[in-house]
Amino acid sequence: DTAVSQTPKYLVTQMGNDKSIKCEQNLGHDTMYWYKQDSKKFLKIMFSYNNKELIINETVPNRFSPKSPDKAHLNLHINSLELGDSAVYFCASSQETAARQQYFGPGTRLTVT
Amino acid sequence: QKEVEQDPGPLSVPEGAIVSLNCTYSNSAFQYFMWYRQYSRKGPELLMYTYSSGNKEDGRFTAQVDKSSKYISLFIRDSQPSDSATYLCAMRDSGYSTLTFGKGTMLLVSP
Repeated sequence: DTAVSQTPKYLVTQMGNDKSIKCEQNLGHDTMYWYKQDSKKFLKIMFSYNNKELIINETVPNRFSPKSPDKAHLNLHINSLELGDSAVYFCASSQETAARQQYFGPGTRLTVT
Repeated sequence: QKEVEQDPGPLSVPEGAIVSLNCTYSNSAFQYFMWYRQYSRKGPELLMYTYSSGNKEDGRFTAQVDKSSKYISLFIRDSQPSDSATYLCAMRDSGYSTLTFGKGTMLLVSP
């Protein structure tokens, strides 16, 4: 009965590779997010989707491309991985765009070597 | 100056102590204030939510917001080892959905 799930939990890859992280929520929420948490624990929004539409796109390199096939899924594809992309990536969801509570997934720990 | 400042800690206290965690912010448009708790290797989870200024209590936890000082606090009474986690403050304005997080304070409660 996991609310927000992400796969994989761990991802180790080399520079230059392309990788994807998948996120699914079974809460029936309309809005989903991707956050990046760096080594200093700073949690920063990357993207937000509402009903499969992109509504927030913070200053993120074009190598990052989110895709929302339906309301329950928001995937993150990263091209040409760089060392600085190493971080924990969290998916989250909320009932609506201005919701006070966001539900976070367990995170995907990406290590680029 | 960063929008939200939070002392990263770690803050170490003995079991039973009263803990005070704080954040300051610079954006006077922030109206909604939250505290998230993040256990090691887990995602953040909402602990407390406050709108505008004032206090809110939930069990051992009390959240305070002082908008005039741009200062928010989370108090934990009778702290337990299970409270050991990183506490992140988060806030947003009235119209924008993005949450701005502090860097989090690591709390360690020893038995």
